[in-house]
Amino acid sequence: DTGVSQNPRHKITKRGQNVTFRCDPISEHNRLYWYRQTLGQGPEFLTYFQNEAQLEKSRLLSDRFSAERPKGSFSTLEIQRTEQGDSAMYLCASSPDRPSTDTQYFGPGTRLTVL
Amino acid sequence: GDSVTQMEGPVTLSEEAFLTINCTYTATGYPSLFWYVQYPGEGLQLLLKATKADDKGSNKGFEATYRKETTSFHLEKGSVQVSDSAVYFCALSSDQGGKLIFGQGTELSVKP
Repeated sequence: DTGVSQNPRHKITKRGQNVTFRCDPISEHNRLYWYRQTLGQGPEFLTYFQNEAQLEKSRLLSDRFSAERPKGSFSTLEIQRTEQGDSAMYLCASSPDRPSTDTQYFGPGTRLTVL
Repeated sequence: GDSVTQMEGPVTLSEEAFLTINCTYTATGYPSLFWYVQYPGEGLQLLLKATKADDKGSNKGFEATYRKETTSFHLEKGSVQVSDSAVYFCALSSDQGGKLIFGQGTELSVKP
């Protein structure tokens, strides 16, 4: 078990460009979550999947953001037409689909800087 | 909506001092409560959790008790070490989806 991995670890882009991040959860974890963390703040929930189904999206997730988990394994988070306010750490977490589903395991995050 | 409020940091302590980081919450229903820790340059790690009232979570010398009457989940450690320097986040999960709602984090710095 290698833990949750995220790629890239860092991304610098210019305003208006599109970016895509990838998350590989712990194998056999059915639930996958995306959070965003800005400096000095706690993570904020963006969206989550159970297997390939996207079951909840936060109001923080504007229509420029889209997330997928096509085969119920890895997930991608795409941001279109990036804005400077999108600069943040994007965190992915996964959890097993057992009665203690509320324990989430986090990846190292992708730090996005929009110039 | 649901929310978590943490004691503001940074907190600076000498090695072997007693630590308390306050956490209170607002939630409908019966949330599960967590403390996560983020060491410098690393990702969030679960430190401990409690899933019902009066439960005590413990790990690595840290403890927190789920107090429903005061809606609190304060983190304590009897004797901190330099290696405990990190940012600590209190969080709750209150729905079937399991999304976590975090406090703003409390930075702890332990000096030798």
